[in-house]
Amino acid sequence: GNSVTQMEGPVTLSEEAFLTINCTYTATGYPSLFWYVQYPGEGLQLLLKATKADDKGSNKGFEATYRKETTSFHLEKGSVQVSDSAVYFCALRTGTASKLTFGTGTRLQVTL
Amino acid sequence: DAMVIQNPRYQVTQFGKPVTLSCSQTLNHNVMYWYQQKSSQAPKLLFHYYDKDFNNEADTPDNFQSRRPNTSFCFLDIRSPGLGDAAMYLCATSTKNIPSSYEQYFGPGTRLTVT
Repeated sequence: GNSVTQMEGPVTLSEEAFLTINCTYTATGYPSLFWYVQYPGEGLQLLLKATKADDKGSNKGFEATYRKETTSFHLEKGSVQVSDSAVYFCALRTGTASKLTFGTGTRLQVTL
Repeated sequence: DAMVIQNPRYQVTQFGKPVTLSCSQTLNHNVMYWYQQKSSQAPKLLFHYYDKDFNNEADTPDNFQSRRPNTSFCFLDIRSPGLGDAAMYLCATSTKNIPSSYEQYFGPGTRLTVT
């Protein structure tokens, strides 16, 4: 079956530090990959996505590249801000299925 | 702005007392989902509607039911809430009318407390 593994948090960084949150997956077929962000007290928001190998998703300074050879979709940002503090979820979907498979989430805390 | 709305944002119910959570959307999406998210865990899909077709996940307890009277509204009914059902309940929508856009759009969630 499908599964997503994320690095455990919390990840604590100083403002303007470089961020990497690791995500690897196991899937049948060729999945689409997503990063969602959840700010405190809110629902999930789609941050970025990639639908095929070597695609790079990007949004708000965040990037992730779909690496089929390493089955990974690591999230990166060159300079984090306090406002980036949130929980980040990696997820996948295969084919035309409606179901998203989520990782367990990684909490990011950014301090001044 | 088009959006997914959940009411109420916070709901307190008593052990065993039926409760209904509601979700509405202005996106005109044909797929609606209900997820359960317990503290520090990933969202877990309970069921989804594709138009009027109901799709239950195999491990969703019978205690959880859903209704979708029209495109815009979807309800989650918990017939006899237990303490273990305390969680955030997330509603999401997507459209299959644009195959490249199976993104799911989430509401803000309803946090359910069971006393």
